[in-house]
This record gives sequence, structure tokens and C-alpha cells, in this order.
Amino acid sequence: AQSVTQLDSHVSVSEGTPVLLRCNYSSSYSPSLFWYVQHPNKGLQLLLKYTSAATLVKGINGFEAEFKKSETSFHLTKPSAHMSDAAEYFCVVSDGGNQGGKLIFGQGTELSVKP
Amino acid sequence: DGGITQSPKYLFRKEGQNVTLSCEQNLNHDAMYWYRQDPGQGLRLIYYSQIVNDFQKGDIAEGYSVSREKKESFPLTVTSAQKNPTAFYLCASSIGGLITTEAFFGQGTRLTVV
Repeated sequence: AQSVTQLDSHVSVSEGTPVLLRCNYSSSYSPSLFWYVQHPNKGLQLLLKYTSAATLVKGINGFEAEFKKSETSFHLTKPSAHMSDAAEYFCVVSDGGNQGGKLIFGQGTELSVKP
Repeated sequence: DGGITQSPKYLFRKEGQNVTLSCEQNLNHDAMYWYRQDPGQGLRLIYYSQIVNDFQKGDIAEGYSVSREKKESFPLTVTSAQKNPTAFYLCASSIGGLITTEAFFGQGTRLTVV
């Protein structure tokens, strides 16, 4: 069965410092992996996705993530945090071949950015 | 503009009442989903539909019902059997169930039982 674990429920950084949000996954098939961002009381917006192409994926707003099969990880990074990055972030795995395209969500990581 | 529209944004329900949340998409997507979001619990799948006139239960379907009579519409009914319906509900769609593409989300409906 597919699953995803976000290792930190809350991360706090200072503005201008790097961001690291950690995600490990479990999948019986070649997974598709996504990071979504959610601002308060809003829907989810796709940041980036991995679908078996390049292992280093670049997304919007300066975020990127690296797919590491040996570590079953898909950590999200950004070199320099901005105040507007404060939000909740979800790591998501999808296995269309077995689950019919269901998305499996991690528990979420709340990112706080201090001035 | 293409997208997913959920309505209403806020909904209040008295105990014992059924309420229906609307979800409409004009993206021509085959697959649609309903998720429930509670603080600290991420998103949990209620129901999903890969094609018109077909849908499957997700992980927490008890107390909910759906229909998929049209490709663009996937309404969710929260019945009186749902014991704790207060939550944020998100609707999503994707191109197809067997194609691992990203999902597009609506802005959500916050349901409160009063």
C-alpha cells in the first residue's frame, strides 16, 4: 500500500534562510509525487511534481524537490524563505496503476517564517 | 477561466439535517474527488469518481453520499448519519484516474454544525 510521511508537523525559519520540509514515501509501484501548498482557508495549489523524469524537480516560487529512490524521500527545499511562504505544505503520492489515481496525502507541515 | 468552483464557502447545519456541498469543474476532467480536512490530520478521501455515473468510497465514506450524473458536477451530501461533520471540505479533479497527473482543487467549503 502507498503511504507518505511528513517528518515534521511544524517548521520555523527566519526570512532569508533556507527551507527544508521532509517527506518519505512508500509505494509498491513507480510513484508520482507532488508537493502542494495551502494558505489559510484556501484550496491547495500545486508547487511541483515528480513523474519519473528528472529526479530534481523545480517548482513555482523558487521551490524544488529531489526524488531519491534509495532513500524513498522527496524533500522540499528553498534557498531563501520569504514571509509569503508561510503556509501548510502537503507531500502527496499517487499510484494510478494500482489505486486508480487516488492521491495519498501526508499529514502536512506548517511552515512559519519569522521576520 | 478554467477551474473548480465549490459553493457555498461557508455552510451552517443544524444537527439532524442533510446538507449538500456543490462542486463544479470546467476543466473537462474525468476524475473528481472529495476530501475532508481536520486540523492536524491532513486530507482524508471521502469519495471519488473516475467517470460519469460511477463512484467509489474512499477512506471515510460513512455518513456521506455523492452522485456523478454529469462530468462537470460532483455534489457531496453530508447526511445526519455523519456524527462529526464540522470540517473543511475540498473538492478536486484530475484528467483521469489511471493517469498520474496532478489534481486541481477548489477553494473549499467550511461546514459548521450549530
